[in-house]
Amino acid sequence: SQTIHQWPATLVQPVGSPLSLECTVEGTSNPNLYWYRQAAGRGLQLLFYSVGIGQISSEVPQNLSASRPQDRQFILSSKKLLLSDSGFYLCAWSRTSGAEQYFGPGTRLTVT
Amino acid sequence: GIQVEQSPPDLILQEGANSTLRCNFSDSVNNLQWFHQNPWGQLINLFYIPSGTKQNGRLSATTVATERYSLLYISSSQTTDSGVYFCAVGWGGYNTDKLIFGTGTRLQVFP
Repeated sequence: SQTIHQWPATLVQPVGSPLSLECTVEGTSNPNLYWYRQAAGRGLQLLFYSVGIGQISSEVPQNLSASRPQDRQFILSSKKLLLSDSGFYLCAWSRTSGAEQYFGPGTRLTVT
Repeated sequence: GIQVEQSPPDLILQEGANSTLRCNFSDSVNNLQWFHQNPWGQLINLFYIPSGTKQNGRLSATTVATERYSLLYISSSQTTDSGVYFCAVGWGGYNTDKLIFGTGTRLQVFP
């Protein structure tokens, strides 16, 4: 069966510090991968998606970037965090475009 | 872009009651999913339902794509049903599927 992991689970970082969040998927190959952010009390917003290694599409201009160095690894990064980057970050995967998406447990980021 | 609206925004029920949650969307969609977000933030897949009707235990869902809405039915609610329910629609062309989330329905079930 497929499993999706995210770490860390929680993170408190000062403004201006770098960020690296990691997501890995087990039990499948060549998945579509997604990064979403959920602001407090609101729905999720798609940030990035990837249909293959090195292929990244950005949905929202922001202070963040994403990379896919391996087939089942998706990384969300920032060089300098802003207060507005605080939120709950969720990684998701699907077998193909248009298929059901499955979400990881999320990383709760607080920028102070 | 597409708009996804959910109603009601908040729902308070006593254990054992039934409820219907609605999701309206403003454009044709590639797919539709219902999720339950538990108190720890985990998004739990309930239904993948671009059209038609599905049932899973006490939950069922119906999507009428031509009329651009979906309904989630919860019967005999339990306290463990509490949380936020999201509808999300897949929108965009080939290889650009993105889930657009509604603002959610917050459900509280009391014993």
